[in-house]
Amino acid sequence: KAGVTQTPRYLIKTRGQQVTLSCSPISGHRSVSWYQQTPGQGLQFLFEYFSETQRNKGNFPGRFSGRQFSNSRSEMNVSTLELGDSALYLCASSLGLAGSGEQFFGPGTRLTVL
Amino acid sequence: GENVEQHPSTLSVQEGDSAVIKCTYSDSASNYFPWYKQELGKGPQLIIDIRSNVGEKKDQRIAVTLNKTAKHFSLHITETQPEDSAVYFCAAQEQGGSEKLVFGKGTKLTVNP
Repeated sequence: KAGVTQTPRYLIKTRGQQVTLSCSPISGHRSVSWYQQTPGQGLQFLFEYFSETQRNKGNFPGRFSGRQFSNSRSEMNVSTLELGDSALYLCASSLGLAGSGEQFFGPGTRLTVL
Repeated sequence: GENVEQHPSTLSVQEGDSAVIKCTYSDSASNYFPWYKQELGKGPQLIIDIRSNVGEKKDQRIAVTLNKTAKHFSLHITETQPEDSAVYFCAAQEQGGSEKLVFGKGTKLTVNP
């Protein structure tokens, strides 16, 4: 069965712009979690959506937001981009809630903010 | 909330040697501890996990041990091979309503042929 897919794979934006990233989970998975990965901080949790509801949220400013659709696909949006938002953004899907079992990660979207 | 510390940040071994990566966690209520391997250009992939009702789990050359009293868990890779070279992340499931996974900062393992 197809794995987690993320689009686009690479993005270059300038400060002040906004960006939308997309994640399609494995078929049948209802939970999608988003993480920001940077060399110094590792994987930092952004938020988790389960059945279209935000279940958990990490310690990120309100510029970071997300949503999940009825088909479990998820998008995250970052507004008013800052240089520090440059990172690899990973999404992960799981059958149940994130901590209940295996999370399957996508390849990530590499965002560069100039 | 949960805090996970991972050591070492880099590890270099010769092919055939063993590699050990250690993690400590802060929340004694945490009960699920997965390990992920991330190869260059890919997302992390689960390689082994352990729950708090078990002290050790093995899968071929990989094993994980858990010491609940000391709140630490370790990944052991025996007979390392060049294809084991990657970044490894440990994680702990936060409790108290969140239940999200909290990750360590990763260990870059290099296996020299």
